[in-house]
Order: sequence, then C-alpha cells, then structure tokens
Amino acid sequence: ETGVTQTPRHLVMGMTNKKSLKCEQHLGHNAMYWYKQSAKKPLELMFVYSLEERVENNSVPSRFSPECPNSSHLFLHLHTLQPEDSALYLCACRSGVNTEAFFGQGTRLTVV
Amino acid sequence: AQSVTQPDIHITVSEGASLELRCNYSYGATPYLFWYVQSPGQGLQLLLKYFSGDTLVQGIKGFEAEFKRSQSSFNLRKPSVHWSDAAEYFCAVAPFGPGGGADGLTFGKGTHLIIQP
Repeated sequence: ETGVTQTPRHLVMGMTNKKSLKCEQHLGHNAMYWYKQSAKKPLELMFVYSLEERVENNSVPSRFSPECPNSSHLFLHLHTLQPEDSALYLCACRSGVNTEAFFGQGTRLTVV
Repeated sequence: AQSVTQPDIHITVSEGASLELRCNYSYGATPYLFWYVQSPGQGLQLLLKYFSGDTLVQGIKGFEAEFKRSQSSFNLRKPSVHWSDAAEYFCAVAPFGPGGGADGLTFGKGTHLIIQP
C-alpha cells in the first residue's frame, strides 16, 4: 500500500466511449502525475500538476484530458481513444525536493 | 533534458547468484537518482534513492546501488538473488534544485530480471 489508489484497475472501452480514470492520494503531497506505460517503451510522463495547477503537458493528444479538483484527487478523462492508447496508466505523487515519487497500482486500459 | 539508459533489456541470473543492473544517466548536474521495481500488472515500488552524501546507498530487499559521478552511472546490486526478485527494474532521474520537486521523474526502459532455479 503506497497511499495512492487508482480506480478502476482494469477498463475496456470502445473507441467512441467516454470514461475517466481516478487517482486519490492520502499522503498530503502537492505534485501529482499521470504516466503511460506501453509495452517495450519507457514510462512516458503525460501530465504534471503542482499545487493543483497543470505545469506540464508533454504533447499529449487532446483525447486525454486531465483534471485536478483538489490536492488529493487527479482524474484522466478519456474520449474517442485509439487502440494504440491501450496501456497501463499510472498515477504518482511527490511532496517536493529530496523526495521520491509514490505510484498507484495503475489502470490497465484496453481500447477495442 | 535528462535521459536514462538501461543497456540490458533482459538479464537471467541463477538463484543465489549475485546481480548487477546497469544504469547510465545524462544530465548537466548531479540529479536525484532512483531505482524502482515493478511486478507484473502492478505499480512501481521504490527500492532506493540517492540525493547526496554517501555514494553507496542501501535499499529494501537487500539491494544497494552506487553512484559514480565520473561514469554517470547508478548501478543496482544484490549479493544473492531470490526467486521473488524476478520483476522489471527501472532506473529514474529527477532534476536537482528548487523546481525539482514538481518535475516528474524520467525513466529508463527497464531491465527484465529472470531468475533461474
């Protein structure tokens, strides 16, 4: 148990669906992240939120839309995804300098 | 921009044998350095980290890593592996400095560790 909870753990969605991934952290950290992990690729940093403001968006397609309503919750809204978006999506949080990132267990997304 | 290279995609080690996983980084200054482990279908668990001070750091599960500035390396070692160590291992870096707290970590591609009986 890392203090970071992601739901759902598994999600299968069609290309025309809209769904959301949820991340909740109980560590009081002020930075939260979404990573994408695909087979045979390094973890890709998608979005960074610091103090509930987005500070980085690494050229992620607009079909992925993040939301950080408060310091404990992070969402990733999905719409009109492609099969190549199938991956493990990991949420992480960090409290500041001299600290590591804590990861959730991820959501395994399959787009059909 | 920082980058991380893990040159070994797969490594096979006999149970009880020693292990070394390689990691090289590229960064303009000394970054924060991490090793994480991931079991199938799971998130990443921190094994150890280096921020400053002693260049040999101890982690959980009997792992250690040594930071070598001259070689830009942060190799992970374990003197005797157990079957339960079979997993994916990731080296990561984060920028050093006041803004480093919000920056995400940059990961290598990972090394898949296989343990032979």
